[in-house]
This record gives sequence, structure tokens and C-alpha cells, in this order.
Amino acid sequence: DTEVTQTPKHLVMGMTNKKSLKCEQHMGHRAMYWYKQKAKKPPELMFVYSYEKLSINESVPSRFSPECPNSSLLNLHLHALQPEDSALYLCASSHIRDRAKNSPLHFGNGTRLTVT
Amino acid sequence: AQSVTQPDIHITVSEGASLELRCNYSYGATPYLFWYVQSPGQGLQLLLKYFSGDTLVQGIKGFEAEFKRSQSSFNLRKPSVHWSDAAEYFCAVGGRGAQKLVFGQGTRLTINP
Repeated sequence: DTEVTQTPKHLVMGMTNKKSLKCEQHMGHRAMYWYKQKAKKPPELMFVYSYEKLSINESVPSRFSPECPNSSLLNLHLHALQPEDSALYLCASSHIRDRAKNSPLHFGNGTRLTVT
Repeated sequence: AQSVTQPDIHITVSEGASLELRCNYSYGATPYLFWYVQSPGQGLQLLLKYFSGDTLVQGIKGFEAEFKRSQSSFNLRKPSVHWSDAAEYFCAVGGRGAQKLVFGQGTRLTINP
């Protein structure tokens, strides 16, 4: 069982739809991440939130809009997506890594998104 | 810039045989190193991690990895593989704080019965 919960597991949406992906963790992690993974490829970072503030945006198109309402929740709002945005979207969380602590990312099982 | 190279895209081994998956990294500061495994349609599960201390680290499922600073390598090993080890394996490197984790291209492991 994963400690990072993502909903929904699968999502099919049209190019004019608006939908949201949700992610929740209760491990006290203060860093949360969105990754996108295409088939047979490694995960690619999209966004990082640190202490509920957006700290990294990897030049992601504005049709993807992240939100971190509190330290346990992370959302990804989707609007006007393209078919090439179809992928597995992975949420992850971690402690903030410091001199004494190597905190790995804990991943959810992802949302399989299909844009038609 | 940080990068990770996994030279082997696909490896096939027989069940019970030993396994070594290669990983070379490039990172300007002290690297935080990880190995993850991903089964089809699933998220990534952490196998093991390294930051400092003993350069041979033990992980879950009988895996271990050795950090060699002089070779910028962090190779994953298992003495005897099981059919359930068939999956995609990713090596990753990151830095301090909430910085990005960069993944290698992955190595797909197939197990022959």
C-alpha cells in the first residue's frame, strides 16, 4: 500500500474539459511534487512545492495549474489539454532534504490520463 | 547540470542468477542517490538510498547498491533474482532541500524461468 494517495486512478477527458487530479499524504512531508511519465520513459518533473509554496516550475504549459491548499494536499488543475498530454501523472512527497537527512520521494500510484 | 545514465535499456537474466544494474551520475555537489522500481501501471517504489556513510547500502527485497565516488557510480545488485523482480528500475540523483530528483532512462528487467 502506498502512503501517497492519488485520485482518480484513471481519467478520460476531452480537450475542452476542466478536471483536477488530487494527491494526499499524511506523513508530515513538507515537499510535494508532480511528475509526468510517458510510456517507457522516466518520470519528468513538473512542479515542486516546498512548505506549501511553489518552488519549482519546469516551464510547464499554463494549461496545467498546480495548487497546494495545505501541507497534506496537492492538486493539479487541467484545462484545454492536448492529446499529447496523455500520460501517467505521479504525485510524490518528501521531507526537505538537509545535511543530516536523506529523504526519498514517496510516490503515489498515479493517475492515468487520456485526452481525447 | 545533474544527469543520470543507465547504460542498459533492457536486461534479461535467468531466475536464480545474480543481477547488476549500472548507474552513473553527474552532480556538482554532494549527491543524494536512489534506486526505484516500477511495475507496469504502478507508481515508483523506493528500493534503497544513499547520502553518506557506508558506501554499501542495503535495501528492500534483497537488493543492495554500492556507491563509488571515484567512478561516479551507484550500481544495484541482487545475488539471486526472483520472477517477481521483473520490472523497470530507475536510478535517480537529487540535491539538498526540495530540489528536483533527476531520473535515468530506466532499465527494464526480464526474468527467464
